[in-house]
Amino acid sequence: QSVLTQPPSVSGAPGQRVTISCTGSSSNIGAGYGVHWYQVVPGAAPKLLIYANTNRPSGVPHRFSGSKSGTSASLAITGLQAEDEAEYYCQSYDSSLRGSEFGGGTKLTVL
Amino acid sequence: QLQLQESGPGLVKPSETLSLTCIVSGGSIGSTSYYWGWIRQPPGKGLEWIGTIRKSATSAYNPSLKSRVTISEDTSKNQFTLSLSSVTAADTAVYYCARQEVGFSRGYYPDWFDPWGQGTLVTVSS
Repeated sequence: QSVLTQPPSVSGAPGQRVTISCTGSSSNIGAGYGVHWYQVVPGAAPKLLIYANTNRPSGVPHRFSGSKSGTSASLAITGLQAEDEAEYYCQSYDSSLRGSEFGGGTKLTVL
Repeated sequence: QLQLQESGPGLVKPSETLSLTCIVSGGSIGSTSYYWGWIRQPPGKGLEWIGTIRKSATSAYNPSLKSRVTISEDTSKNQFTLSLSSVTAADTAVYYCARQEVGFSRGYYPDWFDPWGQGTLVTVSS
């Protein structure tokens, strides 16, 4: 069981906005460690979408954005597209584990 | 452009040791500017951090795997290796290697993973 909690699934129609939450604790997100988000498509390498809470790597569309507050973080996707259908994972460092931790993952379905 | 490629057997027998190598091109694993890590994803399950290594620093391992895991580096070949002993069917997974940024906000610690290798499926079966 992950120390970072994500909803198992979210869904939205094309063009809509969806958010995925990631809830941690005082030893990871709440301690000030950055939250990072990855997109995983079957058969492909995981892709970094957001790093250090709010930053987009070069090439990631502006439709993807991240935020953080207290012990939680969120990934927002606006203008939903069929190609966004994938699994999304949050990740942070945990000082109690002294290592990296992933959320359980959220399956995004584009209706 | 940095690239990582996992290499190793796709089939391992129960109780044996799984060994995978991550071959790095376009950058040096000898740099202290980055960590290097292994992550896996069992079929139908989520991503799981296995461990991380950084030159001139101690390795860090997932507590749930720590007794069975060793990660080592070979800077002369620019590659790092994962060894997982006493494997069972539960270790069947796609294994990824990745570069990990160094975080600075609260001392030095391994931060986000980027880029990742393509991944390699390892099946544990007799």
